[in-house]
Amino acid sequence: DTGVSQNPRHKITKRGQNVTFRCDPISEHNRLYWYRQTLGQGPEFLTYFQNEAQLEKSRLLSDRFSAERPKGSFSTLEIQRTEQGDSAMYLCASSLSRNQETQYFGPGTRLLVL
Amino acid sequence: AQKITQTQPGMFVQEKEAVTLDCTYDTSDQSYGLFWYKQPSSGEMIFLIYQGSYDEQNATEGRYSLNFQKARKSANLVISASQLGDSAMYFCAMREGLTGGGNKLTFGTGTQLKVEL
Repeated sequence: DTGVSQNPRHKITKRGQNVTFRCDPISEHNRLYWYRQTLGQGPEFLTYFQNEAQLEKSRLLSDRFSAERPKGSFSTLEIQRTEQGDSAMYLCASSLSRNQETQYFGPGTRLLVL
Repeated sequence: AQKITQTQPGMFVQEKEAVTLDCTYDTSDQSYGLFWYKQPSSGEMIFLIYQGSYDEQNATEGRYSLNFQKARKSANLVISASQLGDSAMYFCAMREGLTGGGNKLTFGTGTQLKVEL
């Protein structure tokens, strides 16, 4: 049973550039979550998918952010026109919808916007 | 108001000793779940233990146990027989609603645990 994987692990970009991150969940998991974690804070929810449907988005997710999960498997998170404030760790988690729904996290993508 | 409060930014414990990491939460839901995750310096969040609001017994997973006091809205993590590898950031998290539509986690600010020889 492979865990959640995320690529790239690190990304350095210049302000104004677009970046895209990928998350591959645990294979049988139907739910996929994106979180953002800044230094010294706990992760904050961004958005989540059940299969291919995006069911909830945080108000943290500005219109520069878009996420997709086209076939209900892997997901991408794109940030357009990056700003320095976007520098953070972006964490993906997946779960199986059931009573004790435990989210399992990937290793994260560290983004630095210069 | 903070939904999850972790008042200990840092904790030290000697190897082989037990340590308690505090977590209090705030919710008006009757059904909720409480989680603890460990985050080593590599960044990955590792699931440790879960407690449902209707669970009558405290959850245990190996050296981890959760001291759940519902009336006080606290869910403290107890790590017994600490090991050097336990040094990490520990996060308490809550999911409001036990079943049904997608349940995001709300995290506290974490406690940095350092295990010393």
